[in-house]
Amino acid sequence: GAVVSQHPSWVICKSGTSVKIECRSLDFQATTMFWYRQFPKQSLMLMATSNEGSKATYEQGVEKDKFLINHASLTLSTLTVTSAHPEDSSFYICSAKSPLAGDTDTQYFGPGTRLTVL
Amino acid sequence: GQNIDQPTEMTATEGAIVQINCTYQTSGFNGLFWYQQHAGEAPTFLSYNVLDGLEEKGRFSSFLSRSKGYSYLLLKELQMKDSASYLCAVMDSNYQLIWGAGTKLIIKP
Repeated sequence: GAVVSQHPSWVICKSGTSVKIECRSLDFQATTMFWYRQFPKQSLMLMATSNEGSKATYEQGVEKDKFLINHASLTLSTLTVTSAHPEDSSFYICSAKSPLAGDTDTQYFGPGTRLTVL
Repeated sequence: GQNIDQPTEMTATEGAIVQINCTYQTSGFNGLFWYQQHAGEAPTFLSYNVLDGLEEKGRFSSFLSRSKGYSYLLLKELQMKDSASYLCAVMDSNYQLIWGAGTKLIIKP
């Protein structure tokens, strides 16, 4: 149980275009999902917390107008990188909390999406 | 401020035992997590400790001392596939995860 998928696995796009990344909880309903980015050889950096049916909570320094997050259902959250630039190239990872009994705080991660902006 | 410290890199031999330490200073404590992350992949959950003591799961064990702000991950009978980064993360009083920078574990034959 507690499987999280992401799509696409990797994407290459031109500078100035927008890219949408999907995060799905496959076998459970996730009221809260998280979006992280990770630069090479660095730890995870939380970008935002996504709550179903409400606006996402962004971490300090993360531009909400550039990284659009939509959590429209209990199994799907999307991250759209708008007007992408080469500095947005990174590994984007989502996670979700599984509401299994006695395990409400553990985050389970999707496989990640590697974004390269040319 | 909030801080998680773990060694940057460790090397061990296949079949041996290795202990990866993590010390933390956070505003509040609601549990400590260990994750394994292979290069180019997302983290996978290993363990969760919220009470003092040792939690054993097969070849992996995790220990917590809240009074000392200290945890370790113990890996026994090391295998080459255990080569990965090991991330320590603490959940603070706001239920936010504070991440360590990770320990890169290199296993040699």
